[in-house]
Amino acid sequence: SYVLTQPPSVSVAPGQTARITCGGNNIGSKSVHWYQQKPGQAPVLVVYDDSDRPSGIPERFSGSNSGNTATLTISRVEAGDEADYYCQVWDSSSDPHYVFGTGTKVTVL
Amino acid sequence: EVQLVESGGGLVKPGGSLRLSCAASGFTFSNAWMSWVRQAPGKGLEWVGRIKSKTDGGTTDYAAPVKGRFTISRDDSKNTLYLQMNSLKTEDTAVYYCTTAGYCSGGSCYRAEYFQHWGQGTLVTVSS
Repeated sequence: SYVLTQPPSVSVAPGQTARITCGGNNIGSKSVHWYQQKPGQAPVLVVYDDSDRPSGIPERFSGSNSGNTATLTISRVEAGDEADYYCQVWDSSSDPHYVFGTGTKVTVL
Repeated sequence: EVQLVESGGGLVKPGGSLRLSCAASGFTFSNAWMSWVRQAPGKGLEWVGRIKSKTDGGTTDYAAPVKGRFTISRDDSKNTLYLQMNSLKTEDTAVYYCTTAGYCSGGSCYRAEYFQHWGQGTLVTVSS
């Protein structure tokens, strides 16, 4: 099965930039999607197809994908951005077809 | 507004069965591909399975850990998605989320490789 690896935690001061990586074999050839999950809540899609944002998601959230690493960037971090973040891809040759990353806890200092 | 409301969770003994339901509203349910995603306590997200719309064949796919034990079905007349879980194991303990396997806009849903809309989840606890 396809494996997506994320750092367990990222810490960032308010107003600074947080970068969350998602590593996978030739992930640049796939579309990567990102979810934010706050404690006790359902996940929320924040970036899809590498770099697009759903309606209502602030422009501070952006994504990129190349080679073996995809990155979610949160600019001008706010206290409300503290959450777990998961990357996800679809791989028809993998079981499971929908693969989630291991998750990253973002802490706002 | 898209709404997904799960129900049916609870405590069940190992080897037992449980059926989850997901009531959908705010979009044309019959056109939507739907999925179940679960999250064990303190763990990450895990895809469980997917069902296509009947116009796309209505077929199902499952993750290996649940294949042969779980069955996803849909009743388009009731706008409801189901997850029948049999031969439950302690490792099936999780919050189960109903999701759209794609996005919905203007009342119609379109299949995509991501999950745009999520329910609030329902907790299934498998324990003796």
